[in-house]
Formats: sequence, structure tokens, C-alpha cells
Amino acid sequence: NAGVTQTPKFRVLKTGQSMTLLCAQDMNHEYMYWYRQDPGMGLRLIHYSVGEGTTAKGEVPDGYNVSRLKKQNFLLGLESAAPSQTSVYFCASSYTGSDQPQHFGDGTRLSIL
Amino acid sequence: GENVEQHPSTLSVQEGDSAVIKCTYSDSASNYFPWYKQELGKGPQLIIDIRSNVGEKKDQRIAVTLNKTAKHFSLHITETQPEDSAVYFCAASMYTSYDKVIFGPGTSLSVIP
Repeated sequence: NAGVTQTPKFRVLKTGQSMTLLCAQDMNHEYMYWYRQDPGMGLRLIHYSVGEGTTAKGEVPDGYNVSRLKKQNFLLGLESAAPSQTSVYFCASSYTGSDQPQHFGDGTRLSIL
Repeated sequence: GENVEQHPSTLSVQEGDSAVIKCTYSDSASNYFPWYKQELGKGPQLIIDIRSNVGEKKDQRIAVTLNKTAKHFSLHITETQPEDSAVYFCAASMYTSYDKVIFGPGTSLSVIP
């Protein structure tokens, strides 16, 4: 099993450009999450999904959109990238909700110039 | 709002010594407390967790204690080894709320050979 796979691993964007970060899990998990990690701030939840076709906002959702068309995939979109969105993005999944361990991918390092 | 504090932010120990990382949470409804280890360039990985009906849990050289009254929990690593060097995150969550997983800011542990 690959676990949680994120693509791409690195990306540099110019302000105003758009892009989509891909997350795939092969553990048949219901719940999937997108976090951003910034120095000294831990992990902050952007959006999450409790099942195929459902999404919800987390702590810092502004400037991001998500989609969960298939159970195994969770996509994070930046419509118009801003320098404040420079961060490391992690996708995670769990079998059920917040009372279960989350399995993380290895992250996407995104720089917005 | 909900908050998880974590101390110290950096910790340096000699190989073979013990390391202790402490976290305090604000929401008394929190009932699940995982600890994650993040190695350089990787995503966080669960190392141990504890639920609110348990006061202590141990797994080989790693142990976690929980004091619900004081709303704090701690990670104890004994007989530290160089491969224990990493960033450690505590988190607090509630069974009933999918997005209420709050992470601490992290502790960078260095084990000196």
C-alpha cells in the first residue's frame, strides 16, 4: 500500500496563477483533510471531507476550494495564488473522524512569488 | 477559541537521556490526544495516542500521560537515540466534531550522540 500520496512535491507559482494539489489514498478511508504548515504554527485545517461528494470548511478556508468526486481522491485548488499562501500543504486521511489517527502524505511545498 | 500549547519549542538532550514534551489544551470536551513525529521532508506520523478514559499509556520507550483535571498531557521518551531527532506535535480532538483536531506548534527534539 502506498498510503497517502500527494502530487506535486514542489511547485513555484506567480501571484494570480491557479493550480490544483492532488491527494490520493488507498486505505479506503472515509475522511480526508487538507492542512497547511507554517513555521511555529503547527498544522492548520483548510478543508475536510467526511465522505465522497462532501466537503466542509476548516480553520483557514479562504482562498482555497476542494472537491471529493471519488472516495480515494481529495483535490485542493488555489484559484488566484497569493504570497500568503506560500506554505507546505499536507493531505491526511482517517478511517473515521477525529477520534482516529490521521495518515499523512509527505507534503507539497508551494512558493508563491 | 480552542487552543493547544506545547513546550518547549526546542529540546536538546544527550543520547540515552530522557525527553519530556508537555501540552496544554483549552477545550475540556477534548477526548482524544495523539502525538505525531515529523522527520525532515516527511509528513507527520502517529507514534502514540491516548483517550480521555485512560491516564497513561506506554509503548516501549515512549509513554504518554494525561491529566484531565489540569487539561494537560505529556510525551515521555526514555533512552533517547539519534533517530528520535525530529519535530513532535501534540494534538487534541473531540469524537463528536470532525474538524476539531487542534495541533500544538511543535517541539524540535535534537538527540546529541
